[in-house]
Amino acid sequence: DTAVSQTPKYLVTQMGNDKSIKCEQNLGHDTMYWYKQDSKKFLKIMFSYNNKELIINETVPNRFSPKSPDKAHLNLHINSLELGDSAVYFCASSQESGSQWETQYFGPGTRLLVL
Amino acid sequence: DQQVKQNSPSLSVQEGRISILNCDYTNSMFDYFLWYKKYPAEGPTFLISISSIKDKNEDGRFTVFLNKSAKHLSLHIVPSQPGDSAVYFCAAPNSGAGSYQLTFGKGTKLSVIP
Repeated sequence: DTAVSQTPKYLVTQMGNDKSIKCEQNLGHDTMYWYKQDSKKFLKIMFSYNNKELIINETVPNRFSPKSPDKAHLNLHINSLELGDSAVYFCASSQESGSQWETQYFGPGTRLLVL
Repeated sequence: DQQVKQNSPSLSVQEGRISILNCDYTNSMFDYFLWYKKYPAEGPTFLISISSIKDKNEDGRFTVFLNKSAKHLSLHIVPSQPGDSAVYFCAAPNSGAGSYQLTFGKGTKLSVIP
């Protein structure tokens, strides 16, 4: 069983379109994350979300919005896609434990190409 | 502003030898460090971690060393195996209101030559 899964694995789309990437975790974790790996291979946090709050990295454009229908899912919706959005997007999850850091488990990534 | 730096983009090591991957950080508030391993077309997987109260943590062939005064950590793999060939990311958590977001280095691609 895959612990953290993402769909689709590949996404090719035109500039200006709106698209969503889905993420599901079956680990029973409380907190989920979205990371972006750009062309320079930097992995950067975009959002972290649990049932209490959403924490947004201030560099993320408001065209990006996470949506969580339930605790096991955190989908990433992107409006008006731009060329610079082309990247690999990774979902991750961890157990919420307050002051102690917990291991984050990553999905396989979604490779987005905007033409 | 790179708070976690991996200055070597790649490293080649002969099978059976030691691999040493280095990482530097600038944020003195970091108190926990992790190494993640990533194969092509897969997500990063957790490898080993170290708390700032320790200077060494060992798990099988993998050992992480932390030098707080130099803001430097390193991952040692002994002996290196071809299956260790992957990209290794150094990371540190930033705590934000109870949610721990990871700051990653740029990664070092390790190639273990049979």
